[in-house]
Amino acid sequence: EDQVTQSPEALRLQEGESSSLNCSYTVSGLRGLFWYRQDPGKGPEFLFTLYSAGEEKEKERLKATLTKKESFLHITAPKPEDSATYLCAVQRAGTASKLTFGTGTRLQVTL
Amino acid sequence: NAGVTQTPKFQVLKTGQSMTLQCAQDMNHEYMSWYRQDPGMGLRLIHYSVGAGITDQGEVPNGYNVSRSTTEDFPLRLLSAAPSQTSVYFCASSYQQGKRFGEAFFGQGTRLTVV
Repeated sequence: EDQVTQSPEALRLQEGESSSLNCSYTVSGLRGLFWYRQDPGKGPEFLFTLYSAGEEKEKERLKATLTKKESFLHITAPKPEDSATYLCAVQRAGTASKLTFGTGTRLQVTL
Repeated sequence: NAGVTQTPKFQVLKTGQSMTLQCAQDMNHEYMSWYRQDPGMGLRLIHYSVGAGITDQGEVPNGYNVSRSTTEDFPLRLLSAAPSQTSVYFCASSYQQGKRFGEAFFGQGTRLTVV
C-alpha cells in the first residue's frame, strides 16, 4: 500500500526565514511525485512534478527536490502570501492517474 | 478557459437523501477523479475514470456511484446520504504525455454537510 507522510504538520515562519517541508513516501514503482499548494476554501493548485531521484525544480521562492525515499520543498525568504497548506502526492506506476496524498503541512508566514 | 468546474459549492442534505455532484472540464483531459478531503485524513480517492465509458473504484467508493458518458463530465452520485459523507469533495482532471502523466487540475470543491 502506498504511503505518504508529511512533516511538520504545521510550521510558523517569520518573513524571510527560510525552511524546508518534508514528504516521505513508500510506493512500489514511483511514476511521479507532485507538490500542490492549497489555500483555505480552494482546490489544490499544482506546483511541481518530480519524476526521478536527483531531480530538482524551482519556482520563485520554492524549490522541490527528490530522493528515493523523500522529497523536500525548500522555501527561501518566504513572504506572508506563501502562507497555505502544502500537499505532497505520489503516483504509482500502472495506476493511471491515481494519486495518494499526504495530510499536508500548514505553513504560516508572519511579518 | 474555465478548467474544472464543480457545482454546487455548498450543499446540506438530510440523512437518506440522494444527490449528484457535478463536475465538468474543458481541457479535453482523458482522466478524471473524485476525492474527498477530511480533517487529518488528506485527500482520498473515491472513484476515477480513464476515459468516456470507463470508471473504476478508488480507496473509499462505498456509498458513491459515478458514470462517464462524455469526456467533459464526471458526476458523482450519493445514493443515500449518511453523516459520514460530510466532507469537502474535489473533482480533478489530468492527462498523459507519452509515458508520463501530467499534473491534476482540481475544481474549487463542494462542501457537503449531511444532517
